[in-house]
Amino acid sequence: GDSVTQMEGPVTLSEEAFLTINCTYTATGYPSLFWYVQYPGEGLQLLLKATKADDKGSNKGFEATYRKETTSFHLEKGSVQVSDSAVYFCALSGLISSGSARQLTFGSGTQLTVLP
Amino acid sequence: DGGITQSPKYLFRKEGQNVTLSCEQNLNHDAMYWYRQDPGQGLRLIYYSQIVNDFQKGDIAEGYSVSREKKESFPLTVTSAQKNPTAFYLCASSPLSPSSTDTQYFGPGTRLTVL
Repeated sequence: GDSVTQMEGPVTLSEEAFLTINCTYTATGYPSLFWYVQYPGEGLQLLLKATKADDKGSNKGFEATYRKETTSFHLEKGSVQVSDSAVYFCALSGLISSGSARQLTFGSGTQLTVLP
Repeated sequence: DGGITQSPKYLFRKEGQNVTLSCEQNLNHDAMYWYRQDPGQGLRLIYYSQIVNDFQKGDIAEGYSVSREKKESFPLTVTSAQKNPTAFYLCASSPLSPSSTDTQYFGPGTRLTVL
C-alpha cells in the first residue's frame, strides 16, 4: 500500500537558518503530494502541493519539488523564522478503492522549533 | 467566511459512554472525512463520505460510526466499543468535481479524553 516516510524530529534551528525536511513516498500510480503544517492545538493547514512529476509547490517561502525518479518531496526554506515553529506533515493522495474520493496517507510529522 | 467547524474543541468522556463529535462545512464540498491523530503520529482515516446518505469505512473504523444526512454535516460517534478513544480528531472536506484538485481542507479538531 501507499506509505510516506518523513525525516524524524525534532528539528531545532536558529532564526534565518536553512531548513530541509526530507520526505519520500511509496505509491502506485501518480499521486498528488502535499505538505501540511500544524500549529499547537490546531488543525492542519495546507502549506503547498504538487500534482505531477517535476512540479514545484511553493508558499510563504517554503518550496518542495515532486521528484518521481527519487520518489521524494523534500520541504525547504531558505531562512526560517520563529513563527515557522510547528509540526510539518508530508502526505500523498491516492484513490480510495471505490469512487473518486481520495485518501491522504501521512508521514509521522516533524516538529520544527526555531529559536530567536 | 467559508470553512470547516468542529465542536466541541475539548471533550471528556467516561468509559462506557458514547460521544458525538460535530463537523460542519460551508465550502459546498461533496466529500468529507474523519481522521484520528495520536501523539507523534500521522493521521489515520476513520470514515469518509462522498455523497449524502453514503459513507465508507477507512483504515480504523472499528468502534466508530458516522452519518451523512446533509451535505454540510458529517458527525462522528465514538462508541463504547472503541478501546482507546483518547486522541485528537480531525474532520476534512474536499471537492470531487473532475476539474478539481484533490486537496483536503481541515477543521480545527476536537480533543477527546477518556476519564
